Amino acid sequence: EIVLTQSPGTLSLSPGERATLSCRASQSVSSTYLAWYQQKPGQAPRLLMFGASSRATGIPDRFSGSGSGTDFTLTITRLEPEDFAVYYCQQFGSSPLWTFGQGTKVEIK
Amino acid sequence: EVQLVESGGGLVQPGGSLRLSCAASGFTFSYYSMNWVRQAPGKGLEWVSFITSGGSSIDYADSVKGRFTISRDNAKNSLYLQMNSLRDEDTAVYYCARVVYGGYAFDYWGQGTLVTVSS
Repeated sequence: EIVLTQSPGTLSLSPGERATLSCRASQSVSSTYLAWYQQKPGQAPRLLMFGASSRATGIPDRFSGSGSGTDFTLTITRLEPEDFAVYYCQQFGSSPLWTFGQGTKVEIK
Repeated sequence: EVQLVESGGGLVQPGGSLRLSCAASGFTFSYYSMNWVRQAPGKGLEWVSFITSGGSSIDYADSVKGRFTISRDNAKNSLYLQMNSLRDEDTAVYYCARVVYGGYAFDYWGQGTLVTVSS
């Protein structure tokens, strides 16, 4: 089983600042299989990035994804008030088919 | 507009059963693979089960294998999760989620239905 470890657990930042979220895999993951989600309290997750670096429909360009192998990054260049949320990375593999990281909470400083 | 609407959650005793449904609209349901994902209160996301567009391939997380059964009815645009032998640790919000066509991410999610297993 591939384990995804996200860091930091919590990121305290101010609006307008840059957020850098890390997702590290216990084994190499194809970039094709790496996705990022945003979840706000009481809401379902929302797809942000797929294929590690492709933005989903309607996602603003302040969100970007990068990485390969075991290290992936989600960057939010200038935090807007609506960006404060929990972010999860996800990978597709085998047994189990999909796993998620434990999440990074981006909170207002 | 793509919509996924879950139903069927509720309070059930340990060892009991529950059947969740997910009604899909706004897209050709029979073209897409689907999943169930759950989230225990205050916790992260856990993938539960997968079914291909035609239902020919199915998979489960080890934590539910042998107890949960996923199915779909493409004529009714509906996805199901039959949950038997429920345990306290199955308490969670259960989401249905669509797989990106030809891809591996989940592009649409329902609003979730809460399952509480407690005596």
